[in-house]
Amino acid sequence: GQQVMQIPQYQHVQEGEDFTTYCNSSTTLSNIQWYKQRPGGHPVFLIQLVKSGEVKKQKRLTFQFGEAKKNSSLHITATQTTDVGTYFCAGREYGNKLVFGAGTILRVKS
Amino acid sequence: GAGVSQSPSNKVTEKGKDVELRCDPISGHTALYWYRQSLGQGLEFLIYFQGNSAPDKSGLPSDRFSAERTGGSVSTLTIQRTQQEDSAVYLCASSSGWGSPLHFGNGTRLTVT
Repeated sequence: GQQVMQIPQYQHVQEGEDFTTYCNSSTTLSNIQWYKQRPGGHPVFLIQLVKSGEVKKQKRLTFQFGEAKKNSSLHITATQTTDVGTYFCAGREYGNKLVFGAGTILRVKS
Repeated sequence: GAGVSQSPSNKVTEKGKDVELRCDPISGHTALYWYRQSLGQGLEFLIYFQGNSAPDKSGLPSDRFSAERTGGSVSTLTIQRTQQEDSAVYLCASSSGWGSPLHFGNGTRLTVT
């Protein structure tokens, strides 16, 4: 069945450093979504990527969707303490359910 | 309210008892998901309802788990003969359709003693 792998599991950075999390699917995806879950909270939608090679930016966050539509990345420039949380990718095969990666826990030292 | 509502927010039950978890999705949302999240872990897919189609039950871990969605709106997740390994946060999410973002509820924290 469809699997979505996400690395790293955990990253601890100094405030101001960059951070990247990577997502890989075992199958070609129709779209991929990214979510952020703050400690003690529920996942909140960040963005959706649909097109092959698509790149989207939200302030310090840059999201990419691979050419083959099987991988994606989220890059945060100059992390801040407010970026703390778990970042999940979620991939969808055509006409199918949304499958989440295991998430990357980000901790930021000030 | 405008969001996804789940009840109860916390549930403590004894091993072997049955529990029912409820989810009220956002009005008009045709898709509804149940996920399970153990402490510090990712989201484990359980079941997916889309409109009037047959639900995708491929993530249900055993036949002790079942879910229904009445009238295309409220959903109930039932766990029979609970076990300690069922302890987790059960998250419900709804969306307006295929390809749309998921809106999550605050979850039900289930503790089986």
